[in-house]
Amino acid sequence: AQSVTQLGSHVSVSEGALVLLRCNYSSSVPPYLFWYVQYPNQGLQLLLKYTSAATLVKGINGFEAEFKKSETSFHLTKPSAHMSDAAEYFCAVSDPNTGNQFYFGTGTSLTVIP
Amino acid sequence: EAEVAQSPRYKITEKSQAVAFWCDPISGHATLYWYRQILGQGPELLVQFQDESVVDDSQLPKDRFSAERLKGVDSTLKIQPAELGDSAMYLCASSSIFPSSYNEQFFGPGTRLTVL
Repeated sequence: AQSVTQLGSHVSVSEGALVLLRCNYSSSVPPYLFWYVQYPNQGLQLLLKYTSAATLVKGINGFEAEFKKSETSFHLTKPSAHMSDAAEYFCAVSDPNTGNQFYFGTGTSLTVIP
Repeated sequence: EAEVAQSPRYKITEKSQAVAFWCDPISGHATLYWYRQILGQGPELLVQFQDESVVDDSQLPKDRFSAERLKGVDSTLKIQPAELGDSAMYLCASSSIFPSSYNEQFFGPGTRLTVL
């Protein structure tokens, strides 16, 4: 079975500071991993995905994430926060072998302080 | 760019009334999902379709919820009767069955339901 834990339901950073959002997963098989962003009253937009190729994955809007099997982690980072990054971020895991069901974390709300 | 369409975007209803949500997935996507997202939480799968067939509805409260995808394209999710606890965002997503898609799901804008 798969599950995702996002540490820190709320994260605040200053504009221009490093963004670090944490995600740990539990999976019985090598998983696919995803980060999505959600703005208020909107659907989820894919930021990036890990699909067993390169462990360092670059996504849109300057975000990247590193898959660390030994730590079962897939943390999301951005070197310099922008005001427009304020949103809810969700980590998700899926099993490549059993179809497309996603398991989402509970989300991290990012606030960017000017 | 192809998108998942959902309507309505917002719905306010009184408890015990019936409500219905509509979703049109990206053209050619065989797999369609309905999720419920309670405020402050991640999306939870309600039902998954492969073409017109239900693949997984284990988390769908079948006493009041129903979903259909009659022609394997667009889909409708219905709640009857609505309860206060049903207030949430209802998200539709779709994905391709081809391996190159890496299971990526594309989400619609959602329907925000408020039950009074």
